[in-house]
Amino acid sequence: DPKIIQKPKYLVAVTGSEKILICEQYLGHNAMYWYRQSAKKPLEFMFSYSYQKLMDNQTASSRFQPQSSKKNHLDLQITALKPDDSATYFCASSQPGTGGLNQDTQYFGPGTRLLVL
Amino acid sequence: GDSVTQTEGQVALSEEDFLTIHCNYSASGYPALFWYVQYPGEGPQFLFRASRDKEKGSSRGFEATYDKGTTSFHLRKASVQESDSAVYYCALAHNTNTGKLTFGDGTVLTVKP
Repeated sequence: DPKIIQKPKYLVAVTGSEKILICEQYLGHNAMYWYRQSAKKPLEFMFSYSYQKLMDNQTASSRFQPQSSKKNHLDLQITALKPDDSATYFCASSQPGTGGLNQDTQYFGPGTRLLVL
Repeated sequence: GDSVTQTEGQVALSEEDFLTIHCNYSASGYPALFWYVQYPGEGPQFLFRASRDKEKGSSRGFEATYDKGTTSFHLRKASVQESDSAVYYCALAHNTNTGKLTFGDGTVLTVKP
């Protein structure tokens, strides 16, 4: 059974619309992340959360908003979509250890492939 | 800022060939270093990691040794198989302790039978 579920697998949106990407993990982890992968930039870090608190935000735009309703959920809301947002978005998780998040191993989900027309 | 450089964009080998993918990093201190593998249509899969100088990580016949002196973490495998065909990413964890991973550009490995 998949341990990290991302929904939907594929998503087509029109410019200017809003979408929510879903991520649920069943690994019992307390840290979750979002990454983006596009043809222009391979695997780019976006956000990290630990125990449902924002640890880091590397997105330049407030159009990207993570939402953590439960400790094993970290959804990604994207507003005012642009064609440049077209990419595959990966959720990841890790279990914070005593060494801090920078010592954790992150496990990735299968991704949501977003196309903005 | 911290960065990872993978020299080879693409590598084409035949089965049972020896594989080397070069990974060099730029960062202060001792960042944790990782290798991930990604198959088409899937998310990156963790291969192994190392956190200290001279530490060797290994999995599924792949290995790499953390070298602080040359700031490298080169991926090697003695005998590749067709099933090893995938994209390989080297990554480092920033010392900011926020969990941010910086990935290299990836190396596409194609193994011919």
